[in-house]
Amino acid sequence: EPEVTQTPSHQVTQMGQEVILRCVPISNHLYFYWYRQILGQKVEFLVSFYNNEISEKSEIFDDQFSVERPDGSNFTLKIRSTKLEDSAMYFCASSEIPGQGNSPLHFGNGTRLTVT
Amino acid sequence: AQSVTQLDSHVSVSEGTPVLLRCNYSSSYSPSLFWYVQHPNKGLQLLLKYTSAATLVKGINGFEAEFKKSETSFHLTKPSAHMSDAAEYFCVVIGLNTGGFKTIFGAGTRLFVKA
Repeated sequence: EPEVTQTPSHQVTQMGQEVILRCVPISNHLYFYWYRQILGQKVEFLVSFYNNEISEKSEIFDDQFSVERPDGSNFTLKIRSTKLEDSAMYFCASSEIPGQGNSPLHFGNGTRLTVT
Repeated sequence: AQSVTQLDSHVSVSEGTPVLLRCNYSSSYSPSLFWYVQHPNKGLQLLLKYTSAATLVKGINGFEAEFKKSETSFHLTKPSAHMSDAAEYFCVVIGLNTGGFKTIFGAGTRLFVKA
């Protein structure tokens, strides 16, 4: 069964550094998402992306964050200048068509980001 | 607007006994409902989905959920818990909002299974 893959599985970075988290969505999916989960807290929506542009973003997704689909397969999340509070598990997801029950989100295994 | 409430943050059962994880939702539109499971240090795996067909939905690993519109509930059940079921479970709703379809996560229920 096709799956969403994320790299790296763990990323350690120093405060103020830029990080790029990478995702390869399922190939026939059109909608892409990033979520994050701070340790012990709930899963939070960051951003959704369709047709090469952001379709929705949350309050968390400020100017420090950006997303890009640089080629036909990768979907990246960039944090420009990391802060300690950015430490979390970041999940990428993709779906065929949002809002339809037969098109659920498929999640990757996540990237654990630790900012020191 | 949509919302999801998972009524228990933690549930503890003994191996071999039934599991009940409760979820209530609100949606102004016929929602799609899902349960996801997250094992420690793993990603989110889809357990089952409700798509306005049968109200009793069967998922993987022996789990099932019943959509009850009158109670706005979508509780997850399993007749007999296994040690490997210990994980965090998320109830998720996709519903129509002013800005389009939104995916809303519940806060999660951590299931503990005792030997």
